[in-house]
This record gives sequence, structure tokens and C-alpha cells, in this order.
Amino acid sequence: AQKITQTQPGMFVQEKEAVTLDCTYDTSDPSYGLFWYKQPSSGEMIFLIYQGSYDQQNATEGRYSLNFQKARKSANLVISASQLGDSAMYFCAMRDLTGNQFYFGTGTSLTVIP
Amino acid sequence: NAGVTQTPKFRILKIGQSMTLQCAQDMNHNYMYWYRQDPGMGLKLIYYSVGAGITDKGEVPNGYNVSRSTTEDFPLRLELAAPSQTSVYFCASSYSESGGPYNSPLHFGNGTRLTVT
Repeated sequence: AQKITQTQPGMFVQEKEAVTLDCTYDTSDPSYGLFWYKQPSSGEMIFLIYQGSYDQQNATEGRYSLNFQKARKSANLVISASQLGDSAMYFCAMRDLTGNQFYFGTGTSLTVIP
Repeated sequence: NAGVTQTPKFRILKIGQSMTLQCAQDMNHNYMYWYRQDPGMGLKLIYYSVGAGITDKGEVPNGYNVSRSTTEDFPLRLELAAPSQTSVYFCASSYSESGGPYNSPLHFGNGTRLTVT
């Protein structure tokens, strides 16, 4: 069964606007970690933000924030004040209870329009 | 502060040839991983290791082998290359303690772009 689902293959956002990238996950583990990565056209994978399953507050890192709704099993990435450099693929990932594996979604391609 | 280093960056193989993709990390991470990323797709786990001398299969291990003789190195061996192995290969590392926490992210190398013709 797919552990991470990203339902938006492609998204467009106007420069300086905010955008939400969706991620839902499936696990019965009580403890897990959720991560977002950015992959620009140059190909490298860049870690953006982390949310722990027991964290009471939503994670924030600069213009990135994670809208974590545990009951709905969703961990959406919010990018505020979009910039042209935000154009990239974005991947949601989950680390399971054993900590051994990271499960990745299929990604969302974000294009920022000037 | 090198992080995760992968070599080579690019390689073209003929069908049936073999090669080893090198991966080294200098962060003293206990966990290391090999992923492949096909065009327009997400990441699929090939093999992973939780420490020196310990390896385990991921989602797509067929046609590959790994070894982990040291904490730093985690080479991926392709035997009898096939066109289906054309992909971008990422090595990654992370730290984890038994029982958590699980907040240590994956640190990726820059990838190896492999073409099998």
C-alpha cells in the first residue's frame, strides 16, 4: 500500500503569492517523522522541513511551514511569498517507526509565474 | 564539509556490462541508502544499511548488490546492466538511534546519471 500520496502532479503560483502542496500519508505507527524535500532542475535533493508525529506545533522554516493535521493524516507544505527560485519538484517523505526507511511520494512540480 | 559524495556523476554502459557506483559520507551517519529516480517519478529504494556489515533490500533490489564494510562507504554494484536500469541514482545517509527520534533527515549526494544502451 502506498504510504505517501501527493495528488497534485503540477501546480502554478503567481510570484509573491502563497501556495500549498498537499501530502497525505498512511501509517499505523504511533511515532513517525514527516519531511519535505525540494528538487530543482539541477537535480539535487534539498531538505526543507521536518514534522514529528508528536510535535504539538506546526513546523516552520523561514518561508516554509507545514500544516500538520494528524487526524486527517495530512502534512501539507505551505510556501509563502513565492519566488521564481521556488520552481522545482517537491517531495513529501515519511520515516517509519523502525526509522529504517523513508517513503517518498511521487512529487509535485511547482512553477512560479512572474 | 563534503557530506555525501557520489562518483561518477555520469556514466554510459552497454547492455551486459557491470559497474560500481561509489558513495561515501563523512558525517558518521549509521544509516545509508541507495535510491533510483526514473524520469518524472519519485524515489524508489534499492538497498539500505543500518550500519557497517548490515544491509537489507528495499523496493527494487533486483539487478543490484551492495556492501557496507565501513561506516563511511556504501557502494552499489550493477551486474549485467539492462536498459531498465537507466536512471538517476542517489545515495543518501541519515542518523538514527534505536527507538527514535526520527527527526534526522536524509542527506543526499548529487546523484549519478546512468544510461544503459
